[in-house]
Amino acid sequence: DIQMTQSPSSVSASVGDRVTITCRASQDIRSWLAWYQQKPGKAPKLLISAASSLESGVPSRFSGSGSGTDFTLTISSLQPEDFATYYCQQANDFPRTFGQGTKVEMK
Amino acid sequence: EVRLVESGGGLIQPGGSLRLSCAASGFTVSNHYMSWVRQAPGKGLEWVSILYSGGGTVYADSVKGRFTISRDNPANTLYLQMNNLRAEDTAVYYCARHPRYISSWFDFWGQGTLVAVSS
Repeated sequence: DIQMTQSPSSVSASVGDRVTITCRASQDIRSWLAWYQQKPGKAPKLLISAASSLESGVPSRFSGSGSGTDFTLTISSLQPEDFATYYCQQANDFPRTFGQGTKVEMK
Repeated sequence: EVRLVESGGGLIQPGGSLRLSCAASGFTVSNHYMSWVRQAPGKGLEWVSILYSGGGTVYADSVKGRFTISRDNPANTLYLQMNNLRAEDTAVYYCARHPRYISSWFDFWGQGTLVAVSS
């Protein structure tokens, strides 16, 4: 199975901060990577697909980059509604696997 | 509007069976690949199974031989039959849609249904 490792596991930040989350795959997954946002008690929401393609309706302050084994999700200016847990997911092979999550908390 | 509504979860004893349902609206289930993804309490996301539009299936090793994914086309509903349940199957189970023609990521999710396996 392809292992997905996110860092950090949690980050404390303030509104307006730039936040960067990294995701590393245990093998080359090309650009077969997605990012999700999950708020407590809610289903995940797809933010970015194909490593860098922003989903319709997702604010432009979210961006994704990377290919191969190393990927990044950046929130350019953190907003109050962005406090949540973020997951990466590889789509290169089965089983589909997720990172362990990164919780973005209020400082 | 795309909607996915899961039902069928509950408290079940180890070794028991449950069938989860996922009623879809706003799109046709048989035109998309569909998956089940679960999340144990306080834990991360774990993909469980996929049903291709052509009827093929793939399962995670942790559920292979115990779970069966299927759909009812006229009812536009996805199912997950879960047999021989174990404590480690306790989780919120989400049904999730894949974008059309690709089995990569999940573009719409239901709200989830909780399955608790305990004696």
